[in-house]
Amino acid sequence: DTAVSQTPKYLVTQMGNDKSIKCEQNLGHDTMYWYKQDSKKFLKIMFSYNNKELIINETVPNRFSPKSPDKAHLNLHINSLELGDSAVYFCASSQGAVNEQFFGPGTRLTVL
Amino acid sequence: AQSVTQPDIHITVSEGASLELRCNYSYGATPYLFWYVQSPGQGLQLLLKYFSGDTLVQGIKGFEAEFKRSQSSFNLRKPSVHWSDAAEYFCAVEGYNQGGKLIFGQGTELSVKP
Repeated sequence: DTAVSQTPKYLVTQMGNDKSIKCEQNLGHDTMYWYKQDSKKFLKIMFSYNNKELIINETVPNRFSPKSPDKAHLNLHINSLELGDSAVYFCASSQGAVNEQFFGPGTRLTVL
Repeated sequence: AQSVTQPDIHITVSEGASLELRCNYSYGATPYLFWYVQSPGQGLQLLLKYFSGDTLVQGIKGFEAEFKRSQSSFNLRKPSVHWSDAAEYFCAVEGYNQGGKLIFGQGTELSVKP
């Protein structure tokens, strides 16, 4: 019944590894987002997709690559993880822009 | 460029007391404004939003916010705080035709004293 779900909830990995975070929404929304929340709780948008098309691509390193296989899923793949990638990553969805965004529970990524 | 400032990093209020959380934004036109709440270890939940019309908007959990164009502010208020309101509160702005790009403030952590 979870509206926006993310897996895994926690991810601990070594520097240099590649990892993925998955996001699924069952709300029928057409727009999905990835946000990064740093240790000071500052939230910043990374990407957004509308109907599987990339709409927003903020100044994020190329090591981060979003993939949207369908409207209900938006995954985030991170290559060559760095210490500075440690953060909580939130997925969100909405029906179009300028509308309430529903957030997932977050994935806490720790890079050692 | 759009920006949002929440001047108070941390606020403590007594249970039953009134609450006001400040939010100032910078944007060239009338923005779309939001307040979200984040409980510990949780995602964000929308409390209320302002798009146009009546400048006093009502939200969930007894919260309200007032848009003041002259002050570029969108302060959040609650007449009587409950212990369960302890959380992190984020003000956010979205500009016209920005494709859903929310710009968040730094957040205000609310603690509630019994």
